[in-house]
Amino acid sequence: GNSVTQMEGPVTLSEEAFLTINCTYTATGYPSLFWYVQYPGEGLQLLLKATKADDKGSNKGFEATYRKETTSFHLEKGSVQVSDSAVYFCALREYSGAGSYQLTFGKGTKLSVIP
Amino acid sequence: AAGVIQSPRHLIKEKRETATLKCYPIPRHDTVYWYQQGPGQDPQFLISFYEKMQSDKGSIPDRFSAQQFSDYHSELNMSSLELGDSALYFCASSPARPQTDNEKLFFGSGTQLSVL
Repeated sequence: GNSVTQMEGPVTLSEEAFLTINCTYTATGYPSLFWYVQYPGEGLQLLLKATKADDKGSNKGFEATYRKETTSFHLEKGSVQVSDSAVYFCALREYSGAGSYQLTFGKGTKLSVIP
Repeated sequence: AAGVIQSPRHLIKEKRETATLKCYPIPRHDTVYWYQQGPGQDPQFLISFYEKMQSDKGSIPDRFSAQQFSDYHSELNMSSLELGDSALYFCASSPARPQTDNEKLFFGSGTQLSVL
């Protein structure tokens, strides 16, 4: 079955530090890969995505590259801000028939950025 | 732009009670998904619907049932509630007949269910 493994948190960084959150996956086919962000008390928001190998997703200064050879989709940001404090979920999705795409999430990584 | 609407935002129930959560997808979205996220846990897929029919089933307990109505809104019915059902329940919707991996999935803000 499909699975997503991401680095455990919490991760605490100072403002303007470099961020990496590792994510690796196991899938039977050719999934799409996603990073979702969850701010305190809110729902999941799509941060970025990549749909095929070597695609790079980017948004709000965050980037992740779909690496098929290493089955990875690591999230990076060059300079984090306090407002980036949230829980980040790596996820994959494969088509499961009848118009249904099922998301498989990692355990989430809590990021805290201190001034 | 319209988003996925879930109601209620918060719900408090006691053990063995029933609860109904509602999800209103983005207009013209035919597919609805339900996810359960326990405290500090990753979201777990429960069930999905496409064109008012169940399309996929995940780790949904037998005490739960769901359906999608003619206006494409969906309801998750939960009976004989247990303490362990306390979680954030997300609904997500996507456009009709996804043809490629570029299908978009939009999440609601969730319903926080607390079972006392």
